[in-house]
Amino acid sequence: AQKVTQAQTEISVVEKEDVTLDCVYETRDTTYYLFWYKQPPSGELVFLIRRNSFDEQNEISGRYSWNFQKSTSSFNFTITASQVVDSAVYFCALSEGRGGGNKLTFGTGTQLKVEL
Amino acid sequence: DGGITQSPKYLFRKEGQNVTLSCEQNLNHDAMYWYRQDPGQGLRLIYYSQIVNDFQKGDIAEGYSVSREKKESFPLTVTSAQKNPTAFYLCASSSPGVSYNEQFFGPGTRLTVL
Repeated sequence: AQKVTQAQTEISVVEKEDVTLDCVYETRDTTYYLFWYKQPPSGELVFLIRRNSFDEQNEISGRYSWNFQKSTSSFNFTITASQVVDSAVYFCALSEGRGGGNKLTFGTGTQLKVEL
Repeated sequence: DGGITQSPKYLFRKEGQNVTLSCEQNLNHDAMYWYRQDPGQGLRLIYYSQIVNDFQKGDIAEGYSVSREKKESFPLTVTSAQKNPTAFYLCASSSPGVSYNEQFFGPGTRLTVL
């Protein structure tokens, strides 16, 4: 069975600090997809990034970057120069590549608080 | 504007009553999903549907029922058999319903059973 672990329940930082959110996953499949979503206080989940198991290239999008390492089954998310607007709950999720539709397994989320 | 609508945002019901949560999408997506979110537990899949008139149970389907009579609509009924229905419910969609596609989420409905 697949599993996603986000060990950090809550992180507090001061604005402009860099912060890394950890995500560790378990799956028996060789083909799978990893996602990060942001949930602001409004409640709606916002898609941030998708990465497939064959692409270990790190990705940068503005202040956001992602580090995918198959050797450690991790898909960590770093926010550089954090801002108050980054305050939200962040979820890591896993989808296996076999048939059966697009079933996402979510981690328990990391609450990020960015303070002035 | 394309998107997913869930209504109402807040819903209160008495214990023992069935309640139906609405989810509508105008994204022309084939697949739709229902998740339940409890504090500290992340999101758990209740039901999903990949095409009209077809749906499958997720990880926590007991006490819930769904229908998919139209492509754009996927209502969720929380029945009196659900032991602890108070939670935040999120609807999502994707097109098509395959592993590599991201899901788009609605704003959620917070259900409180008194």
